Amino acid sequence: EIVMTQSPATLSVSPGESATLSCRASQSVSSNLAWYQQKPGQAPRLLIHGAFTRATGLPDRFSGSGFGTEFTLTISSLQSEDFAIYYCQQYDNWLITFGQGTRLDIK
Amino acid sequence: QVQLQESGPGLVKPSQTLSLTCTVSGGSISSGTYYWNWFRQPAGKGLEWIGRFFFSRGTNYSPSLESRVTISADTSRNQFSLNLSSVTAADTAVYFCARSIVAVPAGGWFDPWGPGTLVTVSS
Repeated sequence: EIVMTQSPATLSVSPGESATLSCRASQSVSSNLAWYQQKPGQAPRLLIHGAFTRATGLPDRFSGSGFGTEFTLTISSLQSEDFAIYYCQQYDNWLITFGQGTRLDIK
Repeated sequence: QVQLQESGPGLVKPSQTLSLTCTVSGGSISSGTYYWNWFRQPAGKGLEWIGRFFFSRGTNYSPSLESRVTISADTSRNQFSLNLSSVTAADTAVYFCARSIVAVPAGGWFDPWGPGTLVTVSS
């Protein structure tokens, strides 16, 4: 099983600033990495796949980067609707695994 | 636009079988292009992949749940189902269904998702 570790667990940022979320894989997953946003009481929403490809309609202030074992999700000019929990997910191995999530809070 | 919707009992007694259905609209589960997946998320915790169904190829399950899980499909109703046997309080969670892509490694990413349904295991 590939273990996905996200950091930090909680990130407090002011609206208008940028946030950088990290995801590390226990072994290389190439670029087979997706990011999701989840708000309370809602299903996860796909943001990024292929490590950096934005989902249809996603604002370009969301950007993904990385390869192998280290990945980053950057959200610039944070809007009120961006404060949520973010999960990374690997799909390099058939046993799909997610990170434990990063909670993005309003500072 | 494909939409998924989970349905089933919100309360299940310990040792019984949890049964949920995901109804797909706007697309066919027998298209051969997509996997149809189940997940769960205990309150305040992360996401766990349970397993998936692929028309004509069958199913894959998470090893941690494989002994208790069955995923099946009713193509005439465009639905796929989850059965989880011998449930305990640890199986209390919000259960989601979602679609992923056959052509991508390991089925790829998940989109769209159903809204989820809360299942509580309690006597």
